[in-house]
Amino acid sequence: GESVGLHLPTLSVQEGDNSIINCAYSNSASDYFIWYKQESGKGPQFIIDIRSNMDKRQGQRVTVLLNKTVKHLSLQIAATQPGDSAVYFCAEKGQGAQKLVFGQGTRLTINP
Amino acid sequence: SAVISQKPSRDICQRGTSLTIQCQVDSQVTMMFWYRQQPGQSLTLIATANQGSEATYESGFVIDKFPISRPNLTFSTLTVSNLSPEDSSIYLCSALGTKSNTEAFFGQGTRLTVV
Repeated sequence: GESVGLHLPTLSVQEGDNSIINCAYSNSASDYFIWYKQESGKGPQFIIDIRSNMDKRQGQRVTVLLNKTVKHLSLQIAATQPGDSAVYFCAEKGQGAQKLVFGQGTRLTINP
Repeated sequence: SAVISQKPSRDICQRGTSLTIQCQVDSQVTMMFWYRQQPGQSLTLIATANQGSEATYESGFVIDKFPISRPNLTFSTLTVSNLSPEDSSIYLCSALGTKSNTEAFFGQGTRLTVV
């Protein structure tokens, strides 16, 4: 069945360093992927998305990479700040579907 | 982006009772969804709230336990019925906008504790 998973449940990085959060997905028919950030006590917040016809997309301090060959997705955050501490979820949507399937989440901690 | 408001933000309920959660979107949206997020875990889709018709439930979720209403394009409710401690969780409303039928926006969630 469909599943989206993450390699690491926790990640700690030094403030100012770059961080990479990984995600593996199993549905080869997925054509749209999103990264969400969830801070404590809040709902998930959209960060960046990518369609399956792309392999890279950049935003402000964030980059998403998609490798369809190995069904792998990553989120790179440059020059991490204390405000980046949160749980990050990847989510995928199958072609023609509307609902999102979420990965298990990675807790990112930024150390001062 | 759409702004989604959920009420209540948290509640403590007695087992056997029910809680109805309201979700209001500040613009018309095509799709609305209800998710459950158990402590320390990811989001699991409960159902898609369909405007003017019965909700579409995911495997493991049934209408008798999680009745959903969606009377118009901006509002939906989720009721969690016959509460038990296992229902203690965060419940999240989500919506897809009409302009961008791709990314989904979320409310801040309702933290339910059943005692």
